[in-house]
Amino acid sequence: AQKITQTQPGMFVQEKEAVTLDCTYDTSDQSYGLFWYKQPSSGEMIFLIYQGSYDEQNATEGRYSLNFQKARKSANLVISASQLGDSAMYFCAINTGTASKLTFGTGTRLQVTL
Amino acid sequence: GAVVSQHPSRVICKSGTSVKIECRSLDFQATTMFWYRQFPKQSLMLMATSNEGSKATYEQGVEKDKFLINHASLTLSTLTVTSAHPEDSSFYICSARGLGFDANQPQHFGDGTRLSIL
Repeated sequence: AQKITQTQPGMFVQEKEAVTLDCTYDTSDQSYGLFWYKQPSSGEMIFLIYQGSYDEQNATEGRYSLNFQKARKSANLVISASQLGDSAMYFCAINTGTASKLTFGTGTRLQVTL
Repeated sequence: GAVVSQHPSRVICKSGTSVKIECRSLDFQATTMFWYRQFPKQSLMLMATSNEGSKATYEQGVEKDKFLINHASLTLSTLTVTSAHPEDSSFYICSARGLGFDANQPQHFGDGTRLSIL
């Protein structure tokens, strides 16, 4: 079984600052994928970034980067130059096996302030 | 590309009613669709996995007779909440993956359905 732990229920960050959202995972599989999704108050799930377990380089997508530390089983999301529109829930998820079932963490609510 | 449409976005109905939610892949063929449930301020919990043309696989603790899933075509899966009661009120959201997708490609989500049973 897989498990995702997000220890920060809520985070505040000032506009234009960078913020790191923590995520640790547990799996016995050697091959897996790690995902971050953003969920605004309207409810839709927006895919942000993906890191494969065999990827040697940290993933980056625009203002999003993933700090992947395999030995520590962590996959923290870094958002640079925060914007007011970044205020939302952020979920870390893991996908293992051919069934592609996603297991989500409990989420972190990010509030960007002026 | 990879757009998933979910309908309706919101339903309010009386206890005992059955409610059908549709999940459509608009620009790709979805061999597998997933149905999740999310209670307020909680995470998404997988309810079931549906593969086109076969019976859905339900997660432990999910009543298959209560939550009927049909995936009759490569672009449509439906979730029917039968004889809904107030405790079934929740946010239901589907996702899809298509033919030939790498297992580690992101799932594409619909916009979700807020179900309120009075």
